[in-house]
Amino acid sequence: AQSVAQPEDQVNVAEGNPLTVKCTYSVSGNPYLFWYVQYPNRGLQFLLKYITGDNLVKGSYGFEAEFNKSQTSFHLKKPSALVSDSALYFCAVRARAGTALIFGKGTTLSVSS
Amino acid sequence: EAGVAQSPRYKIIEKRQSVAFWCNPISGHATLYWYQQILGQGPKLLIQFQNNGVVDDSQLPKDRFSAERLKGVDSTLKIQPAKLEDSAVYLCASSLGGQGQSGYTFGSGTRLTVV
Repeated sequence: AQSVAQPEDQVNVAEGNPLTVKCTYSVSGNPYLFWYVQYPNRGLQFLLKYITGDNLVKGSYGFEAEFNKSQTSFHLKKPSALVSDSALYFCAVRARAGTALIFGKGTTLSVSS
Repeated sequence: EAGVAQSPRYKIIEKRQSVAFWCNPISGHATLYWYQQILGQGPKLLIQFQNNGVVDDSQLPKDRFSAERLKGVDSTLKIQPAKLEDSAVYLCASSLGGQGQSGYTFGSGTRLTVV
């Protein structure tokens, strides 16, 4: 069965420092991988996706993610964190065409000034 | 383009009552999803529609939950009777197709509290 793991419930980082939010997945075949962000009382917003091609994917708001097939990981990164990046982040995977996204449990990112 | 519309935003009901949620996806999006997000957890798929047909409802508690998308556009999710554990945010999302490459657009969700 396919699954997504986000091993950290919370990540704390100071403004201006680099941030990483971890995600590992388990699917058979080639996965489609996504990151979403959720602000309080809002729906999920799409950040970026990996389908195929370059392992480093760039997305919205300066975020990027690196696909590592051997480690089955898709970690979200940003070189310099902003206080406004504080939110709940979800990693998601789609195992094959036609199936719905499976989400991880989420990681709360807290950026302090 | 207009986003995914959901209503109501909030709903409080007593256990054993019934409740319905409505979703209007982005125009032209063939695929519509209902997810349940319990506090502290990631969204869990309840049902996936492709136009007006059901693609996946394997995780829908069919003894109490039902959903329809009769004309292949907007959709309604119903719970009858509600239980305390149904307290959650119900998210509707839509995508252009079901082939896997497009992300979803989510609505703001309906927060249900069952007391």
